[in-house]
Amino acid sequence: GAGVSQSPRYKVAKRGQDVALRCDPISGHVSLFWYQQALGQGPEFLTYFQNEAQLDKSGLPSDRFFAERPEGSVSTLKIQRTQQEDSAVYLCASSETYILYNEQFFGPGTRLTVL
Amino acid sequence: KQEVTQIPAALSVPEGENLVLNCSFTDSAIYNLQWFRQDPGKGLTSLLLIQSSQREQTSGRLNASLDKSSGRSTLYIAASQPGDSATYLCAVKGASGSRLTFGEGTQLTVNP
Repeated sequence: GAGVSQSPRYKVAKRGQDVALRCDPISGHVSLFWYQQALGQGPEFLTYFQNEAQLDKSGLPSDRFFAERPEGSVSTLKIQRTQQEDSAVYLCASSETYILYNEQFFGPGTRLTVL
Repeated sequence: KQEVTQIPAALSVPEGENLVLNCSFTDSAIYNLQWFRQDPGKGLTSLLLIQSSQREQTSGRLNASLDKSSGRSTLYIAASQPGDSATYLCAVKGASGSRLTFGEGTQLTVNP
């Protein structure tokens, strides 16, 4: 089946605008993760869902960041009042179950540029 | 807090060389370790996954080893090719949760 998909692939926003980034995980995957990757850095964890439940949001950098997965499949990461420091690639990953040794599969990412 | 370090940060080699990329982590209580490849402007492609009970995994010209007690992993690439040029990332899944903690990557260039 298809892999993890993300849209849009590129997003340019003016400082202060709100943005919404979408992730379609692999069909049937229970766990979904969001990561933020700044230029030249490794990805950093933002938040984790098991089905529709957000079990860990400790990596969200501020209350301007909000994620949801209302039906346990598609997820949206929303950033309000974007700032220049929000410029990064936002990666989504999914894994088949919540079992900790399962592999995570990553999407192509959304590159966000805040002007 | 788990910290992951990758050495070297960048590596340039001629085609055909065998090479080793290094990854170290501070907390040995991990479930598994993954090596990823990232091409410019692309997402992450998983190369190898080593469970905490395993010592190594092999796929084609790639071999990854894990020494959990010392907090180290190596990725060995045999007979490197220009198509291997990319950034290689290692990531560990700690016992405290489901998140992956990544290193900053090694940028590999294989020259024809």
